[in-house]
Amino acid sequence: AQSVTQPDIHITVSEGASLELRCNYSYGATPYLFWYVQSPGQGLQLLLKYFSGDTLVQGIKGFEAEFKRSQSSFNLRKPSVHWSDAAEYFCAVGAVTGAQKLVFGQGTRLTINP
Amino acid sequence: ETGVTQTPRHLVMGMTNKKSLKCEQHLGHNAMYWYKQSAKKPLELMFVYNFKEQTENNSVPSRFSPECPNSSHLFLHLHTLQPEDSALYLCASSQDTSYEQYFGPGTRLTVT
Repeated sequence: AQSVTQPDIHITVSEGASLELRCNYSYGATPYLFWYVQSPGQGLQLLLKYFSGDTLVQGIKGFEAEFKRSQSSFNLRKPSVHWSDAAEYFCAVGAVTGAQKLVFGQGTRLTINP
Repeated sequence: ETGVTQTPRHLVMGMTNKKSLKCEQHLGHNAMYWYKQSAKKPLELMFVYNFKEQTENNSVPSRFSPECPNSSHLFLHLHTLQPEDSALYLCASSQDTSYEQYFGPGTRLTVT
């Protein structure tokens, strides 16, 4: 069965510092991979997605992620974080079991120090 | 209104109450989803509807009853809930059953 692991439950970085959030997946075929962000009191917003092609994908708000098949990873990065990036980040893998559906990781909460 | 809206945003109900959550999407999509988000647990897919037909029920207890009268509206009828059902309930929509799902802000449900 498909699964997603986000090893870091909570990460704190200083404003202006670089960021990397880890995501590892388990899936037998070529995965479809996603990163979503959830601000307090809000629903999930799609940051970026990987379906095929270039393994480095660009998303909104200055985020990027790199698909590494050999490591079964899809880590999210940002070169310089802003206080408004404080939120919960979810990695997800697309699975096909009848209907297409998303399998989510447990999320990583990001705190930004001023 | 744009995107996916959910009402109410907050709901407190007793275990013997009956209430309903409403979701409406303004994106022209034809697939809609209910998810449950509990503290310290991954998002759990509950139900999937495609063109008003339920295509997935992820072993959800019968005290949760979904209804999809058309492609723009989705309801979750609640009755005789348990305290462990307290969670954030998220609605999402997509074009067909697709991975590219758009989420509403959620209903924060507390069962007392």
